[in-house]
Amino acid sequence: GQQVMQIPQYQHVQEGEDFTTYCNSSTTLSNIQWYKQRPGGHPVFLIQLVKSGEVKKQKRLTFQFGEAKKNSSLHITATQTTDVGTYFCADLEYGNKLVFGAGTILRVKS
Amino acid sequence: DTAVSQTPKYLVTQMGNDKSIKCEQNLGHDTMYWYKQDSKKFLKIMFSYNNKELIINETVPNRFSPKSPDKAHLNLHINSLELGDSAVYFCASSRPGQGFDEQYFGPGTRLTVT
Repeated sequence: GQQVMQIPQYQHVQEGEDFTTYCNSSTTLSNIQWYKQRPGGHPVFLIQLVKSGEVKKQKRLTFQFGEAKKNSSLHITATQTTDVGTYFCADLEYGNKLVFGAGTILRVKS
Repeated sequence: DTAVSQTPKYLVTQMGNDKSIKCEQNLGHDTMYWYKQDSKKFLKIMFSYNNKELIINETVPNRFSPKSPDKAHLNLHINSLELGDSAVYFCASSRPGQGFDEQYFGPGTRLTVT
Protein backbone atom coordinates (compact mmCIF):
# COMPACT_ATOMS: atom_id res chain seq x y z
CA GLY A 1 0.00 0.00 0.00
CA GLN A 2 0.86 3.64 -0.08
CA GLN A 3 3.75 4.67 2.18
CA VAL A 4 4.45 8.20 3.26
CA MET A 5 7.97 8.90 4.47
CA GLN A 6 8.53 11.86 6.75
CA ILE A 7 11.80 13.43 7.89
CA PRO A 8 13.39 14.37 10.16
CA GLN A 9 12.20 12.22 13.04
CA TYR A 10 13.23 14.85 15.60
CA GLN A 11 14.22 18.49 15.45
CA HIS A 12 15.43 20.60 18.35
CA VAL A 13 15.61 24.29 17.56
CA GLN A 14 16.36 27.46 19.45
CA GLU A 15 13.36 29.72 19.80
CA GLY A 16 13.32 32.07 16.84
CA GLU A 17 14.93 29.60 14.44
CA ASP A 18 13.09 28.16 11.48
CA PHE A 19 11.85 24.57 11.19
CA THR A 20 10.94 22.39 8.22
CA THR A 21 9.51 18.90 7.98
CA TYR A 22 9.30 16.96 4.73
CA CYS A 23 7.05 14.23 3.41
CA ASN A 24 7.82 12.05 0.42
CA SER A 25 6.19 9.22 -1.43
CA SER A 26 7.35 7.01 -4.28
CA THR A 27 3.87 7.23 -5.78
CA THR A 28 1.57 10.15 -6.42
CA LEU A 29 -0.12 11.50 -3.34
CA SER A 30 -3.84 12.15 -3.51
CA ASN A 31 -4.47 15.01 -1.11
CA ILE A 32 -2.03 15.91 1.64
CA GLN A 33 -3.24 16.88 5.07
CA TRP A 34 -1.10 18.19 7.92
CA TYR A 35 -1.85 17.66 11.59
CA LYS A 36 -0.25 18.85 14.81
CA GLN A 37 -0.26 16.82 18.00
CA ARG A 38 0.79 18.55 21.21
CA PRO A 39 2.49 16.41 23.87
CA GLY A 40 -0.21 14.34 25.55
CA GLY A 41 -2.81 15.61 23.11
CA HIS A 42 -4.60 14.48 20.01
CA PRO A 43 -3.95 15.27 16.34
CA VAL A 44 -5.43 18.58 15.23
CA PHE A 45 -5.98 19.37 11.56
CA LEU A 46 -3.89 22.20 10.17
CA ILE A 47 -4.46 22.23 6.42
CA GLN A 48 -5.20 20.26 3.27
CA LEU A 49 -3.32 20.60 -0.02
CA VAL A 50 -4.94 19.35 -3.18
CA LYS A 51 -3.33 20.90 -6.22
CA SER A 52 0.08 20.28 -7.71
CA GLY A 53 2.50 23.06 -6.69
CA GLU A 54 0.05 24.48 -4.17
CA VAL A 55 1.40 26.80 -1.47
CA LYS A 56 -0.67 27.86 1.53
CA LYS A 57 0.24 30.05 4.47
CA GLN A 58 -1.11 30.27 7.98
CA LYS A 59 0.67 33.05 9.84
CA ARG A 60 4.21 31.66 10.40
CA LEU A 61 3.40 28.30 8.79
CA THR A 62 3.95 27.68 5.07
CA PHE A 63 2.73 24.48 3.43
CA GLN A 64 3.82 23.29 0.00
CA PHE A 65 2.73 20.49 -2.30
CA GLY A 66 5.26 19.39 -4.89
CA GLU A 67 4.71 19.82 -8.60
CA ALA A 68 4.63 16.07 -9.12
CA LYS A 69 2.45 15.57 -6.01
CA LYS A 70 5.05 13.24 -4.56
CA ASN A 71 6.27 15.47 -1.76
CA SER A 72 5.09 18.11 0.65
CA SER A 73 6.65 20.31 3.29
CA LEU A 74 5.72 22.37 6.31
CA HIS A 75 7.94 25.31 7.19
CA ILE A 76 7.63 27.30 10.40
CA THR A 77 9.31 30.69 10.51
CA ALA A 78 10.73 31.97 13.79
CA THR A 79 9.57 29.12 16.01
CA GLN A 80 7.96 29.81 19.36
CA THR A 81 7.59 27.56 22.39
CA THR A 82 3.92 27.12 21.49
CA ASP A 83 5.00 25.34 18.31
CA VAL A 84 6.26 22.27 20.21
CA GLY A 85 4.61 19.02 19.28
CA THR A 86 4.60 16.36 16.61
CA TYR A 87 3.75 17.35 13.05
CA PHE A 88 2.23 14.70 10.83
CA CYS A 89 1.58 14.67 7.14
CA ALA A 90 -1.04 12.28 5.84
CA ASP A 91 -2.22 11.20 2.42
CA LEU A 92 -5.99 11.20 2.09
CA GLU A 93 -6.71 8.13 0.03
CA TYR A 94 -9.86 6.67 -1.44
CA GLY A 95 -12.52 6.02 1.16
CA ASN A 96 -11.19 8.88 3.29
CA LYS A 97 -8.40 6.71 4.56
CA LEU A 98 -5.59 8.78 6.04
CA VAL A 99 -2.13 7.25 5.64
CA PHE A 100 0.13 9.06 8.07
CA GLY A 101 3.82 9.76 7.91
CA ALA A 102 5.85 8.86 10.98
CA GLY A 103 5.74 12.44 12.25
CA THR A 104 8.41 14.97 13.16
CA ILE A 105 8.82 15.83 16.83
CA LEU A 106 9.64 19.50 17.29
CA ARG A 107 11.24 20.76 20.49
CA VAL A 108 11.88 24.46 20.96
CA LYS A 109 14.49 25.70 23.42
CA SER A 110 13.79 29.09 24.91
CA ASP B 1 -18.90 21.59 23.88
CA THR B 2 -16.81 18.51 23.22
CA ALA B 3 -16.84 17.63 19.53
CA VAL B 4 -15.47 14.08 19.70
CA SER B 5 -15.42 12.39 23.09
CA GLN B 6 -14.03 9.05 24.18
CA THR B 7 -14.36 7.01 27.33
CA PRO B 8 -12.43 5.96 29.22
CA LYS B 9 -9.37 8.20 28.96
CA TYR B 10 -7.16 5.58 30.60
CA LEU B 11 -7.61 1.84 30.69
CA VAL B 12 -5.30 -0.53 32.52
CA THR B 13 -6.10 -4.21 32.28
CA GLN B 14 -4.57 -7.65 32.28
CA MET B 15 -3.83 -9.90 29.35
CA GLY B 16 -6.75 -12.03 28.30
CA ASN B 17 -9.43 -9.58 29.44
CA ASP B 18 -12.10 -8.07 27.19
CA LYS B 19 -12.60 -4.31 27.15
CA SER B 20 -14.55 -1.66 25.28
CA ILE B 21 -13.85 1.94 24.35
CA LYS B 22 -16.70 4.27 23.49
CA CYS B 23 -16.71 7.22 21.12
CA GLU B 24 -19.34 9.86 20.45
CA GLN B 25 -19.34 12.89 18.15
CA ASN B 26 -21.78 15.78 18.20
CA LEU B 27 -20.63 17.32 14.92
CA GLY B 28 -23.27 15.68 12.76
CA HIS B 29 -20.57 13.89 10.76
CA ASP B 30 -21.34 10.83 8.67
CA THR B 31 -18.01 9.06 8.97
CA MET B 32 -16.16 7.87 12.05
CA TYR B 33 -12.79 6.19 12.46
CA TRP B 34 -10.60 4.32 14.90
CA TYR B 35 -6.83 4.87 14.86
CA LYS B 36 -4.07 3.21 16.87
CA GLN B 37 -1.01 5.20 17.91
CA ASP B 38 1.87 3.04 19.08
CA SER B 39 4.70 3.88 21.46
CA LYS B 40 6.68 5.46 18.60
CA LYS B 41 3.71 7.75 17.92
CA PHE B 42 2.96 6.09 14.60
CA LEU B 43 -0.71 6.59 13.70
CA LYS B 44 -2.50 3.89 11.74
CA ILE B 45 -6.11 3.62 10.76
CA MET B 46 -7.97 0.55 11.97
CA PHE B 47 -11.59 1.02 10.89
CA SER B 48 -13.95 3.54 9.41
CA TYR B 49 -17.73 3.61 9.33
CA ASN B 50 -20.00 5.71 7.17
CA ASN B 51 -23.59 5.96 8.34
CA LYS B 52 -23.19 2.81 10.45
CA GLU B 53 -21.71 0.86 7.54
CA LEU B 54 -18.15 -0.52 7.74
CA ILE B 55 -16.02 1.06 5.03
CA ILE B 56 -12.41 0.40 6.02
CA ASN B 57 -11.07 -2.62 7.88
CA GLU B 58 -7.30 -2.51 7.89
CA THR B 59 -6.01 -6.02 8.54
CA VAL B 60 -6.82 -5.70 12.19
CA PRO B 61 -6.98 -8.94 14.24
CA ASN B 62 -10.55 -10.11 14.58
CA ARG B 63 -10.21 -9.70 18.34
CA PHE B 64 -11.06 -6.08 17.55
CA SER B 65 -14.70 -5.52 16.73
CA PRO B 66 -16.10 -2.07 16.04
CA LYS B 67 -19.78 -1.37 16.48
CA SER B 68 -21.72 1.66 15.33
CA PRO B 69 -25.21 1.81 16.88
CA ASP B 70 -25.89 5.10 15.10
CA LYS B 71 -23.85 7.56 13.08
CA ALA B 72 -22.90 9.58 16.17
CA HIS B 73 -21.34 6.63 17.99
CA LEU B 74 -18.55 4.21 17.19
CA ASN B 75 -17.40 1.80 19.87
CA LEU B 76 -14.43 -0.53 19.87
CA HIS B 77 -14.53 -3.87 21.63
CA ILE B 78 -11.33 -5.83 22.14
CA ASN B 79 -11.33 -9.49 23.13
CA SER B 80 -8.50 -11.44 24.73
CA LEU B 81 -6.23 -8.46 25.17
CA GLU B 82 -2.53 -8.92 24.44
CA LEU B 83 0.53 -6.96 25.54
CA GLY B 84 0.95 -5.63 21.99
CA ASP B 85 -2.46 -3.98 22.17
CA SER B 86 -1.03 -1.38 24.54
CA ALA B 87 -1.31 1.93 22.69
CA VAL B 88 -3.33 5.10 22.47
CA TYR B 89 -6.57 4.63 20.54
CA PHE B 90 -8.06 7.66 18.85
CA CYS B 91 -11.56 8.01 17.53
CA ALA B 92 -12.13 10.57 14.77
CA SER B 93 -14.96 11.82 12.62
CA SER B 94 -15.38 13.75 9.39
CA ARG B 95 -17.90 14.79 6.78
CA PRO B 96 -16.09 13.86 3.58
CA GLY B 97 -17.09 14.93 0.13
CA GLN B 98 -18.21 18.40 1.15
CA GLY B 99 -14.85 20.00 0.40
CA PHE B 100 -13.91 19.75 4.06
CA ASP B 101 -12.12 16.47 4.53
CA GLU B 102 -10.47 17.26 7.84
CA GLN B 103 -10.81 14.67 10.53
CA TYR B 104 -11.62 15.67 14.09
CA PHE B 105 -9.89 13.50 16.66
CA GLY B 106 -11.06 12.62 20.13
CA PRO B 107 -8.76 12.99 23.16
CA GLY B 108 -7.61 9.38 22.96
CA THR B 109 -7.79 6.34 25.21
CA ARG B 110 -4.49 5.13 26.61
CA LEU B 111 -4.72 1.36 26.92
CA THR B 112 -2.13 -0.45 29.00
CA VAL B 113 -2.17 -4.23 29.03
CA THR B 114 -0.14 -5.88 31.79
